[in-house]
Amino acid sequence: EAGVVQSPRYKIIEKKQPVAFWCNPISGHNTLYWYRQNLGQGPELLIRYENEEAVDDSQLPKDRFSAERLKGVDSTLKIQPAELGDSAVYLCASSLRESRAEAFFGQGTRLTVV
Amino acid sequence: QKEVEQNSGPLSVPEGAIASLNCTYSDRGSQSFFWYRQYSGKSPELIMSIYSNGDKEDGRFTAQLNKASQYVSLLIRDSQPSDSATYLCAVKRSARQLTFGSGTQLTVLP
Repeated sequence: EAGVVQSPRYKIIEKKQPVAFWCNPISGHNTLYWYRQNLGQGPELLIRYENEEAVDDSQLPKDRFSAERLKGVDSTLKIQPAELGDSAVYLCASSLRESRAEAFFGQGTRLTVV
Repeated sequence: QKEVEQNSGPLSVPEGAIASLNCTYSDRGSQSFFWYRQYSGKSPELIMSIYSNGDKEDGRFTAQLNKASQYVSLLIRDSQPSDSATYLCAVKRSARQLTFGSGTQLTVLP
């Protein structure tokens, strides 16, 4: 069974430019998470989807970040415009909805804003 | 107070020793507890999950949970250099968000 797939793996952009990340979760997983991980830190939740509904986006900087999960499967996270402080690894994870469900991560996208 | 706290380390143990990693959490309603291993430059990989008080063993790994003390730990027996990584503790309440600690960096010395 295929795992969580993310693309691109790496992205270098100039500040003020837009950038988008894509995630394809494990088949059948209703819950999808987007996390941001800075060097030496644990993953920090940006947004959580249950099917196509964003149920927890309190940590998403809504002035520049947006996300969507059309049809409750693939998801896209966008930053526009990017700032130097957005440089981080963006991780997508998915799980079944049950409380004991384990979450599995994709390979992540390493974003560098210059 | 952070929701999930871990000692950042680094923690160094000699090869063959027991490595002990600790985690505390603030939400008493937390129900599910996970340990992830993250190698440098890689994404987190699930290694253990625990839901009930007590110990859960899987090979060289043992997870321990004490809900009264809001404490979860991971023991790695017969530590190997390949165990050198950052270990992330994660906690979930019901079908809600999965919250991570900042991780403990473990180095196993040959």
